[in-house]
Amino acid sequence: NAGVTQTPKFRILKIGQSMTLQCTQDMNHNYMYWYRQDPGMGLKLIYYSVGAGITDKGEVPNGYNVSRSTTEDFPLRLELAAPSQTSVYFCASTDTGGGYQPQHFGDGTRLSIL
Amino acid sequence: AQSVTQPDIHITVSEGASLELRCNYSYGATPYLFWYVQSPGQGLQLLLKYFSGDTLVQGIKGFEAEFKRSQSSFNLRKPSVHWSDAAEYFCAVGRLFGNEKLTFGTGTRLTIIP
Repeated sequence: NAGVTQTPKFRILKIGQSMTLQCTQDMNHNYMYWYRQDPGMGLKLIYYSVGAGITDKGEVPNGYNVSRSTTEDFPLRLELAAPSQTSVYFCASTDTGGGYQPQHFGDGTRLSIL
Repeated sequence: AQSVTQPDIHITVSEGASLELRCNYSYGATPYLFWYVQSPGQGLQLLLKYFSGDTLVQGIKGFEAEFKRSQSSFNLRKPSVHWSDAAEYFCAVGRLFGNEKLTFGTGTRLTIIP
């Protein structure tokens, strides 16, 4: 089982560049999430989606955009990279069938903005 | 708003000793509580969850946690730690409002000494 797959695993960007972090899940989950993890800060929710075509902001959405054109994919876009966006990014998914279900996480994308 | 506090940033335990990691939450209704573990360079893996019912829940890798409503706590325990338990541990609280969002604590890093 592939689960949640994130690409790339590592990336270095220059200030002002743009990039897309990819996230794909093969579990047919409705809900998907993007988090960023900074040292000593835990995980903060950037954006989430409750189904194809539906997205909403989390705690720290500024500087990011998302789209959800299919159930499987939930890409995260950085338009103008800034040093404050240096972080580890995690994608997660869950299914709502049968009540509250735990989130499944990818292995993360480690992003440095220089 | 919901919140989670993990008061211990870093804990060091001898191999074979018992372990307790603290978690306190703030939430207006019955919480959905989780413990996740993150090994270096990896994503988060679910250890255990509490939704309702028995307040002592068993998880994977020999971990257990006890929900205490009167203390707003959900502490993680293990009777005897192994070197492979060295990792970062996150407590999280969820709410069932149609989006299943999670709020994470800042994490506790566990070091095991021989």
